[in-house]
Formats: sequence, structure tokens, C-alpha cells
Amino acid sequence: ETGVTQTPRHLVMGMTNKKSLKCEQHLGHNAMYWYKQSAKKPLELMFVYSLEERVENNSVPSRFSPECPNSSHLFLHLHTLQPEDSALYLCASSQDRLAGGYEQYFGPGTRLTVT
Amino acid sequence: GENVEQHPSTLSVQEGDSAVIKCTYSDSASNYFPWYKQELGKGPQLIIDIRSNVGEKKDQRIAVTLNKTAKHFSLHITETQPEDSAVYFCAASKSSGTYKYIFGTGTRLKVLA
Repeated sequence: ETGVTQTPRHLVMGMTNKKSLKCEQHLGHNAMYWYKQSAKKPLELMFVYSLEERVENNSVPSRFSPECPNSSHLFLHLHTLQPEDSALYLCASSQDRLAGGYEQYFGPGTRLTVT
Repeated sequence: GENVEQHPSTLSVQEGDSAVIKCTYSDSASNYFPWYKQELGKGPQLIIDIRSNVGEKKDQRIAVTLNKTAKHFSLHITETQPEDSAVYFCAASKSSGTYKYIFGTGTRLKVLA
């Protein structure tokens, strides 16, 4: 899985901690996404960045804070999380939709456990 | 609101048999329909997709069919192999105004050797 990489692969954090998830794409894409995957639920889109600008924010609590410093890197900063935030967090990338980009390619995910 | 229904939630087939997974979407403006395969401990992998100007697309043992009138699309896997065992997700998207995919809830496919 060299196309989209994510670190760390596993993370356990307490509710008062601050941590960050990192995503890097090596596909030359210019749109990047954060998704949350919980058991028995459809994948939930959290944030979309296109050309380093946030273009979608789907009612995500402020304890999740995204950052996209360039078109290859995406971060998700986490603070004061709740146990229900435990899930697999997936990063994806695509070409920009305005350029006709549809196909999204996913990374392996970060398994987050909030204790 | 927009949603995609996916059935069945679990499917067991004997090796060599065919498997069919069906999805129904609600937004008639949807025009792009990808299918993803997710193996344990991995992220979803795009395996095939179809756009609304095409009724069927095939790639080796995998095919997808689309019925725009009924707002149905299906994944067909022929000659199943144990390595096809995974969770499969369908999704629907539209080209204007959003980057959002609406995903189905997934189908866990088990291919029995």
C-alpha cells in the first residue's frame, strides 16, 4: 500500500490527550479526505480538502481538527475525544472533482481507541 | 436524505460459485458508482466502478450492472476463490456540488473452500 499511507496504524489515547493522525499520498492527487469507519455503519465522510482548501466539513465535532499543508499531506488533530470516537479513521485521495476526478483511493487506516 | 441500501449483509458461497451483491440508491442525480473490497486490517480497495452512461462493465471475474430507471446496481463475482473473501462496499456519487460518496453498509462475503 504505497499509494496512500497512514501513521500510526494503531493509537490508544485517553480522553484528555492530544494526538495527530497523518496521511500521505504518493499518487499525484490534489484532493484528500478523512473518513470515519465504525462497526455496522456506512463510512462517514468527515472532511474534504481540494487544492489544499477545505471544501467539505460534514458536521464534525470541533474536537477533530484537520490540516492540509500541501496536496500530499493531510493531518487530523485530535483532542478531548470521547469513547464513541473509537473507530477506524481512513484517509483517501483523488484527483480534484473539477478536473473530473472521481476515483478515491484509500489508505490502510488508523485504528483509534479512546479510553 | 440520500442513502444507499446494500444487500445482503452477509453472503456465503462455495468456491467456484458466483456471488451477487445488490445496491439501491435514492438520489437520481447520482452518476458514479464504485465498488470497494476491504480485507481485514486494510483500507477499502477500489475494484470496479461504473458511470451512468454505461449499463454494464466487466473486468475479468468481476462485473457491475446498472439500472438507472430502477436506481439499482449490482456486483457480480464469478468463479469465486477463497481470496475473494472480504467486505464489499458499494457507493454512489454525483458530479456536481459535492465530493461526497454515499456508501452502503457493506456485505461480508465468505468463500468456502
